[in-house]
Amino acid sequence: GQSLEQPSEVTAVEGAIVQINCTYQTSGFYGLSWYQQHDGGAPTFLSYNALDGLEETGRFSSFLSRSDSYGYLLLQELQMKDSASYFCAERNYGQNFVFGPGTRLSVLP
Amino acid sequence: KAGVTQTPRYLIKTRGQQVTLSCSPISGHRSVSWYQQTPGQGLQFLFEYFSETQRNKGNFPGRFSGRQFSNSRSEMNVSTLELGDSALYLCASSSGLAKEGNIQYFGAGTRLSVL
Repeated sequence: GQSLEQPSEVTAVEGAIVQINCTYQTSGFYGLSWYQQHDGGAPTFLSYNALDGLEETGRFSSFLSRSDSYGYLLLQELQMKDSASYFCAERNYGQNFVFGPGTRLSVLP
Repeated sequence: KAGVTQTPRYLIKTRGQQVTLSCSPISGHRSVSWYQQTPGQGLQFLFEYFSETQRNKGNFPGRFSGRQFSNSRSEMNVSTLELGDSALYLCASSSGLAKEGNIQYFGAGTRLSVL
């Protein structure tokens, strides 16, 4: 089977750096994606790792280690507008998309 | 490029009725996936259509069905609505091919309330 695990909540202050982890038990998948969803909004794509290593996109970076069954999203220079839910997601070899339960990030002033 | 468009944005139905939701993907995208999002269950994959064919299916009952037209627009139908079908239904489009096919772009969703 496949499942992804994330912390349910993370809190940090403006200007800080926060890491949101995603662990998985999937036997095989094409890559790990990250999405941001504000309350009442739709998920928006942030980052994708097809291979192990770090992908950097502005203030956001994502990392994948297949040998450790682990990935993370790193948010730097946190801003109030970063308060949202963050989901990791995979497309497994069965071609189904599976999303993690989401991590709610609260950024405090 | 225009984004993913879903209609209607809000819908209220009663138990036993059926509903049809519509999704227009990003121009050039051939894959459309549907998701159900609820507070308790998170984002659950319903099915994916690619070039008018259902390519993948999640673990939902047969009351949930869909189709895709030659212009890649997709519809999702839920028959014999139940109270538990109340949710945000999200449509996502992607190229459906190679690495880019693993990145999805979501519409704003249709919020369905079943009374």
